Amino acid sequence: SQQGEEDPQALSIQEGENATMNCSYKTSINNLQWYRQNSGRGLVHLILIRSNEREKHSGRLRVTLDTSKKSSSLLITASRAADTASYFCATRGGNTPLVFGKGTRLSVIA
Amino acid sequence: NAGVMQNPRHLVRRRGQEARLRCSPMKGHSHVYWYRQLPEEGLKFMVYLQKENIIDESGMPKERFSAEFPKEGPSILRIQQVVRGDSAAYFCASSNISGSRSEQFFGPGTRLTVL
Repeated sequence: SQQGEEDPQALSIQEGENATMNCSYKTSINNLQWYRQNSGRGLVHLILIRSNEREKHSGRLRVTLDTSKKSSSLLITASRAADTASYFCATRGGNTPLVFGKGTRLSVIA
Repeated sequence: NAGVMQNPRHLVRRRGQEARLRCSPMKGHSHVYWYRQLPEEGLKFMVYLQKENIIDESGMPKERFSAEFPKEGPSILRIQQVVRGDSAAYFCASSNISGSRSEQFFGPGTRLTVL
């Protein structure tokens, strides 16, 4: 299975702290994507990192990719209460469908 | 530019009834994907369609489930003779190109409850 696995399953931090979530996968990929899902809502695409990239930034988000370890991390800096959500990584190899992990539930306490 | 639209947002069915879920992709998008999400789980791919064609249905159960994306109108995910295990959130996504570089835009989902 190519399924991504996020770690930790749940994370609770204080507002202003940084949040780090990790994702591991099993097979070779073309890209890895991170999504956010607020409770009861659809998914919002956050960032895509290609297999030949090692790091990517978007606002307060920083994503790294280590293809040798088949892992990625998502860092949210200076977290806000509005960042409270579930975060999913999804991998894609060739023309295969997106494969999602089970997600990390982030709670940011004001 | 409206995003991906799904309706209904909530659907309640009794065991044995049929459920029809509709998805209108973003304007200009001709690729549609359906996913199912169980509570506390990630999304599981079901089927990928282009206009009038099923491209990949490897994630869709062989029985009771079908999907279509006609030339005109929304994509339909149809579940016949629903069972309690079909209760889940069903998400549709669309993209304007296929392949590994395409970003998928997700709809708000339809939450199906089977009594």
